[in-house]
Amino acid sequence: KAGVTQTPRYLIKTRGQQVTLSCSPISGHRSVSWYQQTPGQGLQFLFEYFSETQRNKGNFPGRFSGRQFSNSRSEMNVSTLELGDSALYLCASKSGAGANVLTFGAGSRLTVL
Amino acid sequence: QQQVKQSPQSLIVQKGGISIINCAYENTAFDYFPWYQQFPGKGPALLIAIRPDVSEKKEGRFTISFNKSAKQFSLHIMDSQPGDSATYFCAASKETGANNLFFGTGTRLTVIP
Repeated sequence: KAGVTQTPRYLIKTRGQQVTLSCSPISGHRSVSWYQQTPGQGLQFLFEYFSETQRNKGNFPGRFSGRQFSNSRSEMNVSTLELGDSALYLCASKSGAGANVLTFGAGSRLTVL
Repeated sequence: QQQVKQSPQSLIVQKGGISIINCAYENTAFDYFPWYQQFPGKGPALLIAIRPDVSEKKEGRFTISFNKSAKQFSLHIMDSQPGDSATYFCAASKETGANNLFFGTGTRLTVIP
């Protein structure tokens, strides 16, 4: 059974640009969440989607947005990139809204120059 | 504000020794406490988890000890092996199944052969 797949794995952008990251959850998993991982702040929750609806949102500015498609695949977008957005962006999925086991992908490493 | 405090930041243990990582939390609404293991270039993977109605949970060489009154929990790795060298994160969530995990800052464990 394939795990959580994130693309691209690495990308470099410049300040002011925008970026879109993609996540394919484990087959059958309907809940997808996103986390930002940085050396200084650690792992911080961005948002969670279930059945195409945002169910929960962390404390990030509106430049960070996401969406989920009918096949449970998810994308997150960061607009007007800042240097501080450089991070590993992790996607995680679980089978349902009430399940506990969160399975993470390997992440997309974003570098903002 | 860090909802879950983790220590130590790094830990070096001899092969065969016991690795102990500690976490503390303030929010008494937390009712699910997982530990994640992360290898370089990989996403975090669930290692073991506990709920506050249990004081200890053991899975193989990994044990979680939970002290509800002190609002502390810890991970013990018995007979530590070089393959256990990784970064370990404790986490907590407010409701069972919720994706908004609050993570500790991580402990980089190195097991020396």
